[in-house]
Amino acid sequence: DAKTTQPTSMDCAEGRAANLPCNHSTISGNEYVYWYRQIHSQGPQYIIHGLKNNETNEMASLIITEDRKSSTLILPHATLRDTAVYYCIDSNNAGNMLTFGGGTRLMVKP
Amino acid sequence: DSGVTQTPKHLITATGQRVTLRCSPRSGDLSVYWYQQSLDQGLQFLIQYYNGEERAKGNILERFSAQQFPDLHSELNLSSLELGDSALYFCASSVTALSGELFFGEGSRLTVL
Repeated sequence: DAKTTQPTSMDCAEGRAANLPCNHSTISGNEYVYWYRQIHSQGPQYIIHGLKNNETNEMASLIITEDRKSSTLILPHATLRDTAVYYCIDSNNAGNMLTFGGGTRLMVKP
Repeated sequence: DSGVTQTPKHLITATGQRVTLRCSPRSGDLSVYWYQQSLDQGLQFLIQYYNGEERAKGNILERFSAQQFPDLHSELNLSSLELGDSALYFCASSVTALSGELFFGEGSRLTVL
């Protein structure tokens, strides 16, 4: 699996948008970008994924750069319950190839 | 609630012992994955089964084994336990064998004393 690079931690004010960046400069053409989050010691939770187009669902938006070397996960109105570790993963769509790195610890503050 | 059920939630045992962790996947999911999460290693992929057959192997120790039964539930067996095996063990499931959208259970926390 290609590696991704994420900031170790970020803070965000409650109610504001949280923008979590991820670099995946060695991503190959058939690899998707997946985002998961893990709220303290709970099981990881799937958020969203994309190949090259921007994606949006009820949880978040995913913006992928045209060269696909980086992406941003956007939580439009962060709440305290969004405090978690967010993992950006590039994968060839095979579950066994999901390699979780260190992720970004997002702290949403009141 | 992801629909994936893991038992037991907590387990404390001694070095040298053997334990079995159980996982029931989401209804309709054919693929089951096991991950280990320890403080110093992060989330590590152990093994994947699809419809009863082993599909992929990750960093699973020889002391560990797993299987998926005809009813699709899975068990992870950990033997000759060492202190370093203390970790959270997560099971995940997906509909197909080639899906990056996994649904994780709440984990089984194993403490080896």
